Amino acid sequence: DAGVIQSPRHEVTEMGQEVTLRCKPISGHNSLFWYRQTMMRGLELLIYFNNNVPIDDSGMPEDRFSAKMPNASFSTLKIQPSEPRDSAVYFCASSLGQPGDEQYFGPGTRLTVT
Amino acid sequence: DAKTTQPPSMDCAEGRAANLPCNHSTISGNEYVYWYRQIHSQGPQYIIHGLKNNETNEMASLIITEDRKSSTLILPHATLRDTAVYYCIVRPPYSGGGADGLTFGKGTHLIIQP
Repeated sequence: DAGVIQSPRHEVTEMGQEVTLRCKPISGHNSLFWYRQTMMRGLELLIYFNNNVPIDDSGMPEDRFSAKMPNASFSTLKIQPSEPRDSAVYFCASSLGQPGDEQYFGPGTRLTVT
Repeated sequence: DAKTTQPPSMDCAEGRAANLPCNHSTISGNEYVYWYRQIHSQGPQYIIHGLKNNETNEMASLIITEDRKSSTLILPHATLRDTAVYYCIVRPPYSGGGADGLTFGKGTHLIIQP
C-alpha cells in the first residue's frame, strides 16, 4: 500500500493566488482529515470527512479556506486568495472510520506564500 | 476536553529505555489515551493507545496509572531513529457518526543520544 498520497509536496505562490492541495487516502478508508502545522500554533485539525461528507469544519480558519471530497479516493483543500500567514505544512490523514481508529498521515505539503 | 501535560523535551541514551510521561488529570472515564510521534519533516505516526489496562505492541508499551490521571509511554530500547516529538492525546467522548479528529498539544521532543 502506498499510504496517504499528497500533492504537491512543496508549493510556493504569491499572495492573492489560489492554491489547491490534493490528497488521496488509503484505499478502503472511510474518514479523511486535513491538518495544518505551524511553529506558532502546532498541529491543528482543519476539517474532516466521514464517507465523503464533511463532519466538522470548525477548524477552518476563514472563508478563504474550502475543502471538498468528491469521492472516496480524492480530496482537495483550496485557499483563495492565499495570504502569507497561510504558510504552513498541510497534512492529510485517513482512517478506517470507526471511533478510535488510528490515523495514517501523508507526508504533507509545505506551502509558502510570499 | 481533557487536556494533557508533557515535558517539552527529554534526552535518552541509545539502547536504553525511554520513558515519556503524560499527565491527564481531568480525563473522563470513557476517554482513551493515544500516543503519536512525529519524526522531523514527516507526518505524525500512530504508536499505541489504551483505556485503563497496560498495552504493548511492537513499537512501545503504555502504562496507565490506576486512577488514569497519568500515563507513561515506554520505548524499551531506544535507537537514534526514535528521535521525534511524541504527542500524548486524550480522545474526547465519542458522540456518534464515525471517526473524529485529533487535538495535538505541544508534545515532548525526545532526543536519543548516541
